[in-house]
Amino acid sequence: GNSVTQMEGPVTLSEEAFLTINCTYTATGYPSLFWYVQYPGEGLQLLLKATKADDKGSNKGFEATYRKETTSFHLEKGSVQVSDSAVYFCALSAGEYGNKLVFGAGTILRVKS
Amino acid sequence: GAGVSQSPSNKVTEKGKDVELRCDPISGHTALYWYRQSLGQGLEFLIYFQGNSAPDKSGLPSDRFSAERTGGSVSTLTIQRTQQEDSAVYLCASSWSEGSFYEQYFGPGTRLTVT
Repeated sequence: GNSVTQMEGPVTLSEEAFLTINCTYTATGYPSLFWYVQYPGEGLQLLLKATKADDKGSNKGFEATYRKETTSFHLEKGSVQVSDSAVYFCALSAGEYGNKLVFGAGTILRVKS
Repeated sequence: GAGVSQSPSNKVTEKGKDVELRCDPISGHTALYWYRQSLGQGLEFLIYFQGNSAPDKSGLPSDRFSAERTGGSVSTLTIQRTQQEDSAVYLCASSWSEGSFYEQYFGPGTRLTVT
């Protein structure tokens, strides 16, 4: 079946550090890939997405590249801020009817000033 | 414009009681999804509506769970004879249509606690 595996947290970084959160997936066909973010006390928001191999999604300084050969979609940011502290979810939509999302377990990011 | 809204925001119920959770999607969104977020299971899909029809109910965990959508808008998720393992945050999302091109917008969730 379709599944997403992402690195366990929490990840604790100092402000301006480089961030990588690993995400790998298993899916039939050619899924679309997403990163969602959940800030404290808020709902899930789409951070970025990529719909085909080698696409790069980017938003708010975050980037992720759809790597079909390694079935990965790692999230990166060059310089994190305290305001980036949140839970990050990697997800896929495998093109099944309705395009339901399959989520990873989530990674807590804590950024210290 | 208004986002996805859900009510109640919190619900505490006794084991064995029935509960109804409501979702108001963004106006004009034809696709509506229910997900559940729990400590043990993470974020998992429950059911998908296109208009008033539910072509994918594969995520409903048992026959105690049901959902309906009326007028292509409001949806209600009903849990009968609640159990402690039903405690979770129930999330609703809507999108313009069902394709992955269309972003799913999530509501704030209903936190259900079964005592």
